[in-house]
Amino acid sequence: QSALTQPASVSGSPGQSITISCTGTSSDVGRYNLVSWYQQYPGKAPKLMIYEGTKWPSGVSNRFSGSKSGNTASLTISGLQPEDEADYYCCSYAGSSTLVFGGGTKLTVL
Amino acid sequence: EVQLEESGGGLVQPGGSLRLSCAVSGFIFSSYSMNWVRQAPGKGLEWVSYISGSSSTIYYADSVKGRFTISRDNAKNSLYLQMNSLRAEDTAVYYCARGFGSWASDIWGQGTVVTVSS
Repeated sequence: QSALTQPASVSGSPGQSITISCTGTSSDVGRYNLVSWYQQYPGKAPKLMIYEGTKWPSGVSNRFSGSKSGNTASLTISGLQPEDEADYYCCSYAGSSTLVFGGGTKLTVL
Repeated sequence: EVQLEESGGGLVQPGGSLRLSCAVSGFIFSSYSMNWVRQAPGKGLEWVSYISGSSSTIYYADSVKGRFTISRDNAKNSLYLQMNSLRAEDTAVYYCARGFGSWASDIWGQGTVVTVSS
């Protein structure tokens, strides 16, 4: 399976909203509502932010939201805060009992 | 407190073998599926393998199929990854992660570093 496509970097100022896209195919993102999003700080383990496309795990701020249109999933972060600066990865079930991740997006808070 | 702690990483020559372990605490281990996910230096995340709570269902990424074996011992609250025929491209931080919902992982260990080099 090919990796999902994410922008290498996005940036925004505190208080703004940003959106990170995650483009797959009709065999993964487009077929299943099983996209998850992870936040990762340098040298740290990933943290689950969104699962099954739009759901929040316990303890995750509702400033983070997930959506999907066609073969593209998106993570929107509203009210951007300095601590949101991190790498973000999308992940989708890809059929045949496999998972595929995106290449990751570095979020910079200006 | 829910915790996952990987061990067993290290430097190994190409073609060699290594066995990773993941010790868990703070939850009923047998009730959860588990995954191994790896991250090559400076690169993104890559799913490696999945095992159900009872070990009845196991899946692998194509990149490791036939070389890696996932297993678990619910009595010992431990997850394992036996890695054989290692290649330079297997060099990565290996994370164990608890399954959550459908195909997500909510709790991750801090990772163990595997370096395959001569």
